[in-house]
Amino acid sequence: NAGVTQTPKFQVLKTGQSMTLQCAQDMNHNSMYWYRQDPGMGLRLIYYSASEGTTDKGEVPNGYNVSRLNKREFSLRLESAAPSQTSVYFCASSVARASYNEQFFGPGTRLTVL
Amino acid sequence: QQPVQSPQAVILREGEDAVINCSSSKALYSVHWYRQKHGEAPVFLMILLKGGEQKGHEKISASFNEKKQQSSLYLTASQLSYSGTYFCGTEGNSGNTPLVFGKGTRLSVIA
Repeated sequence: NAGVTQTPKFQVLKTGQSMTLQCAQDMNHNSMYWYRQDPGMGLRLIYYSASEGTTDKGEVPNGYNVSRLNKREFSLRLESAAPSQTSVYFCASSVARASYNEQFFGPGTRLTVL
Repeated sequence: QQPVQSPQAVILREGEDAVINCSSSKALYSVHWYRQKHGEAPVFLMILLKGGEQKGHEKISASFNEKKQQSSLYLTASQLSYSGTYFCGTEGNSGNTPLVFGKGTRLSVIA
């Protein structure tokens, strides 16, 4: 099992450019998430998908769109990148245990917007 | 609502114990604890459920206060490998909701 994979690992964009961050999991998890991590801010939820075909906004959704392509894949799109979107982006998926959800993170994408 | 973690940072010598707190303004359904090493993804450590049940790391334990608005993570006999940033993720009201993470506590263990 590869777990949660993310591509690319690093990316540099110019202001106004667009790009899509890819995430895939091979654990047959229903729920998937996108977080951003900024220094001193912890992990903030951008969007999540509780199941295939559904997506919901998290704490900081502005400037982002998501697509749950199928059960395995959940992509995050920046339509017009801004310097404020410079961050480390983590994708995660979770499995429902008997009484709780256990969440697994991908390795992250380090994005710089100039 | 984002939980508040304390302390923000702590330095320990090998073998010493540490306590990290995670507080919320509302009663918590569960608290998930993660450790992140520099440049890496957060890794699941353990979960504390509202009934006090714990699942996860053998050498790490946690507890709720009486109102279940604060969780404390106990690291005993710390090792160099315990260094990293610890995050709590909380669920309120019920399970199956996305976790809300605190800003983290940076733990450094020195020889």
